[in-house]
Order: sequence, then structure tokens, then C-alpha cells
Amino acid sequence: QKEVEQDPGPLSVPEGAIVSLNCTYSNSAFQYFMWYRQYSRKGPELLMYTYSSGNKEDGRFTAQVDKSSKYISLFIRDSQPSDSATYLCAISGGSNYKLTFGKGTLLTVNP
Amino acid sequence: DVKVTQSSRYLVKRTGEKVFLECVQDMDHENMFWYRQDPGLGLRLIYFSYDVKMKEKGDIPEGYSVSREKKERFSLILESASTNQTSMYLCASSQEWNEQFFGPGTRLTVL
Repeated sequence: QKEVEQDPGPLSVPEGAIVSLNCTYSNSAFQYFMWYRQYSRKGPELLMYTYSSGNKEDGRFTAQVDKSSKYISLFIRDSQPSDSATYLCAISGGSNYKLTFGKGTLLTVNP
Repeated sequence: DVKVTQSSRYLVKRTGEKVFLECVQDMDHENMFWYRQDPGLGLRLIYFSYDVKMKEKGDIPEGYSVSREKKERFSLILESASTNQTSMYLCASSQEWNEQFFGPGTRLTVL
């Protein structure tokens, strides 16, 4: 079983839709959870991070972690064409400097 | 804002050539990382460094070496480039172990 699983999509939604992006992980030692956004031909940029179960909100973005199910989600409300990008989840156990990345989900928001 | 710069956006080399990829960060970060990103395989860690002259192998170090002589600079070296090293190479830096800041990437083609 891979450490982090992420549906690669692609996912195509109309503007204004609510988007749900998800990852599952296998190692219960993972404690810290991040979402990165990567535009085409650019490096990933950190979008959100959290270290506990529950929700964290930042504008139109909500990160959700369920440690009991080993499941993390990113919700985008009122999606915009500018949200079109690849979204990568990243997880760390905190004991070293390594992040384990999901393979990314390609999202397209159509105007 | 953290800035991570990479020496080239696009690079074309021939099989057998020695290739140097340079990365510079301007935020005095302790940790620096080299990844490669391939379609369907996601981000894979090649090497990382947690201090000057210190390095550790990542998940796929074969065929690569690194150098960190100064805190702000981390170099990736392909001793003898091969076609299977054609990829997007991404450098990242972090002070905290979780928030990694990425450069724009170097797309390397080995012919």
C-alpha cells in the first residue's frame, strides 16, 4: 500500500462549483498535513497546512483532516477559473524533514 | 517573501554530459531539497540537506550527487546524464520542517 494515495483526476467543474479534493494515507505516525497548488510550468506553492484533526479555513479554501480514517480533504468554495491547477497533498511525520507527496489532482474550472 | 531561484528554466544536454543544476534561496533557511517530478509518478525526493556540507539521500539518489558549500546554495549534479533523467527538477527550502518553498523548476531534456 502506498503511503499517500491521491486521485489524479482530471477533475473538470463549472465556475462557482464546490470542489472536493482528497487523499488517504497509510501511516498513522503522520501528524502534519499540507496542500500545495501548482500552476502549469511553475513550482508548487503552499496553500494550507494543519496538524490536527478537524477543519481549517482560509477564505474560499477549507482543509479537513480525519486522523481516525487517515483521510484528508481540501474544499474549494465558489471555484474560479484561476483555481485551475494541480493540487498536491503532502504529509509528514514530523520526525525528519521529509514530506511525502500525493501524485496530485489536476483541476480545471470552466468559465 | 521567500524566494527560491533555479539557474535555468530549460536545459538540453547530451547523454554522458556532466550536468549542474543550481538552486539559491534568500531566506537563510537551514533545509534544502531536490526533487524530480514526472507524469504519473509525482514528486520524488532525490537528496536533501539540513546544514552546510550535510546531505542525506532521498528516495531516488542513484545517478545524482549534491553539494552544499554555502547555506544559500544547493547544487544537484548529474555525473553522466542519461535519457531516463529527462524530467522537471524542483528545488525547495524550508526553515520549519513542514513548510517547503519551491523554486520555478528546471525542465531538463537529455538527448
